[in-house]
Amino acid sequence: TQLLEQSPQFLSIQEGENLTVYCNSSSVFSSLQWYRQEPGEGPVLLVTVVTGGEVKKLKRLTFQFGDARKDSSLHITAAQPGDTGLYLCAGVPNTGNQFYFGTGTSLTVIP
Amino acid sequence: EPEVTQTPSHQVTQMGQEVILRCVPISNHLYFYWYRQILGQKVEFLVSFYNNEISEKSEIFDDQFSVERPDGSNFTLKIRSTKLEDSAMYFCASSRDRGVAGELFFGEGSRLTVL
Repeated sequence: TQLLEQSPQFLSIQEGENLTVYCNSSSVFSSLQWYRQEPGEGPVLLVTVVTGGEVKKLKRLTFQFGDARKDSSLHITAAQPGDTGLYLCAGVPNTGNQFYFGTGTSLTVIP
Repeated sequence: EPEVTQTPSHQVTQMGQEVILRCVPISNHLYFYWYRQILGQKVEFLVSFYNNEISEKSEIFDDQFSVERPDGSNFTLKIRSTKLEDSAMYFCASSRDRGVAGELFFGEGSRLTVL
């Protein structure tokens, strides 16, 4: 059973384009986090969203937590080659205290 | 900046051998975790550890796995008799808090290759 499904699984875009990555679940999460992972390294935390409907911005990255706290999205504006990496959402379901990672979205930004 | 450190960065072992992966969590963190990531697949939770005992473990964490905090700084993952399917990147993480506020900080991982 996969608690957190991400889409798309792979994304290859040109520098300067916009993109959105989705993280969906049938479960309610008390919080969701987004991580970025580069090859050979551990995931690095980007943001935590806690409140339903919350929107957080981190430079060109915009994160949104769904009103029902079952989904989240990551929008990148004017993507740059440095944004290339594996993007992972991770959530704490209401039924527990443990982080579960999503299936991941591998982003490649072509110069 | 404090960071989680892991050793070794890469270990190659023969099937059936014991392996110990070591982690030094961030010093003021209280919660410790092991995750693994098989090449090209998602990050999978193995175990969490708090107050010198396992607080939660996944179905992957069977009797072949064990964790220990032998002193005040190290947190180890032992695989008693490695199998081919144990080949993966193993990540240690630590957090100051748990649940909602418990942002995880990850090490750079230990790559285990079982031949």
